[in-house]
Amino acid sequence: ETGVTQTPRHLVMGMTNKKSLKCEQHLGHNAMYWYKQSAKKPLELMFVYNFKEQTENNSVPSRFSPECPNSSHLFLHLHTLQPEDSALYLCASSQGPQGEVRADTQYFGPGTRLTVL
Amino acid sequence: AQSVTQPDIHITVSEGASLELRCNYSYGATPYLFWYVQSPGQGLQLLLKYFSGDTLVQGIKGFEAEFKRSQSSFNLRKPSVHWSDAAEYFCAGRGYNKLIFGAGTRLAVHP
Repeated sequence: ETGVTQTPRHLVMGMTNKKSLKCEQHLGHNAMYWYKQSAKKPLELMFVYNFKEQTENNSVPSRFSPECPNSSHLFLHLHTLQPEDSALYLCASSQGPQGEVRADTQYFGPGTRLTVL
Repeated sequence: AQSVTQPDIHITVSEGASLELRCNYSYGATPYLFWYVQSPGQGLQLLLKYFSGDTLVQGIKGFEAEFKRSQSSFNLRKPSVHWSDAAEYFCAGRGYNKLIFGAGTRLAVHP
């Protein structure tokens, strides 16, 4: 049990659908992250939230919309996705804000396997 | 630019054999380095980390890694591999303000 849960574990959606991915951390951490993991590519950091505030957006297309209502929950809202968006989406959390050593020990959830038809 | 390189995409070893997975980093300052493991369909699990001090770091599941500044390396080792170690292994390092991951090494274990 990593302390970071993600739902759903698998999601199939059409290009016109709207869906949301949910992440919850039970570790008392202050920072949360969304990563995209595609086949044969390194992990891509998408978004970072520190104390509920977005601190990083790595040029992610607007069809991905994150939301962090509190330090324990993170959502990724999806709309009008493309087939190339099919990937494993990983959520992670860490104890402190970026720039602090503590922030670097990230703990990951199991991921949501997304397939866009 | 700060980077993490894992030169081996795939490695196959026999069960019971020793293992070494390579990781090279490129940083200007003292690096903070990590190894994660990912089993099929799962997220990443932290195996071990190096921040400072003893350059030989012990982790979970019998893994260890040695930081060698002169070689810019942080190789992961295990003296005797078990079939359950088959997975993908990621080396990561702290960049300026975020973690930078290597591309991963997929480990297969033959019985």
